[in-house]
Amino acid sequence: EDQVTQSPEALRLQEGESSSLNCSYTVSGLRGLFWYRQDPGKGPEFLFTLYSAGEEKEKERLKATLTKKESFLHITAPKPEDSATYLCAVQAWGYSTLTFGKGTMLLVSP
Amino acid sequence: DAGVIQSPRHEVTEMGQEVTLRCKPISGHNSLFWYRQTMMRGLELLIYFNNNVPIDDSGMPEDRFSAKMPNASFSTLKIQPSEPRDSAVYFCASSLFAGEKLGGTEAFFGQGTRLTVV
Repeated sequence: EDQVTQSPEALRLQEGESSSLNCSYTVSGLRGLFWYRQDPGKGPEFLFTLYSAGEEKEKERLKATLTKKESFLHITAPKPEDSATYLCAVQAWGYSTLTFGKGTMLLVSP
Repeated sequence: DAGVIQSPRHEVTEMGQEVTLRCKPISGHNSLFWYRQTMMRGLELLIYFNNNVPIDDSGMPEDRFSAKMPNASFSTLKIQPSEPRDSAVYFCASSLFAGEKLGGTEAFFGQGTRLTVV
């Protein structure tokens, strides 16, 4: 059974204080690892897809990386508008469905 | 594109009543998913359709839950009878599945329906 564990559950940062979120996974054969952002009262919003170990993707202050066992979402010099819950999900070969972790709730204070 | 559209956004109902949630996927997408989100369990897959056919309904909690996709642009999730433990946010998502040999395909989510059963 595919499993995704995210840590920490919650993270509080000061504006400009860089940090990383962790996503550990076990999957029969990784087809893709996905990062989503979810704001309160809204649906998850797609950020990145990573396909193979060593791959990196960037978007503004966010950079996602992937190894064979985990993925990191690095947040550089965060701003208050980066406050949200960040969700990680995996998709296995032979399946179209996504298995999600419970997310990391990020709060960035001015 | 307007994205995935769900209705209603909020639903409050009494225990024992029937509840129907609706979803319009993104035009051209061939896969549709219903997820349920709670604080305790996070996002859980309920059912997955491909080309309007249910492929995996192993996440449907019990017989009180049913889902249909009569055509490519509409799906419903029905709960009958509803119970307080069904209270959650229900999300519909869609994606374009391009084939088994291609890389992962991201799913796009609607805004969700917040269901409260009292």
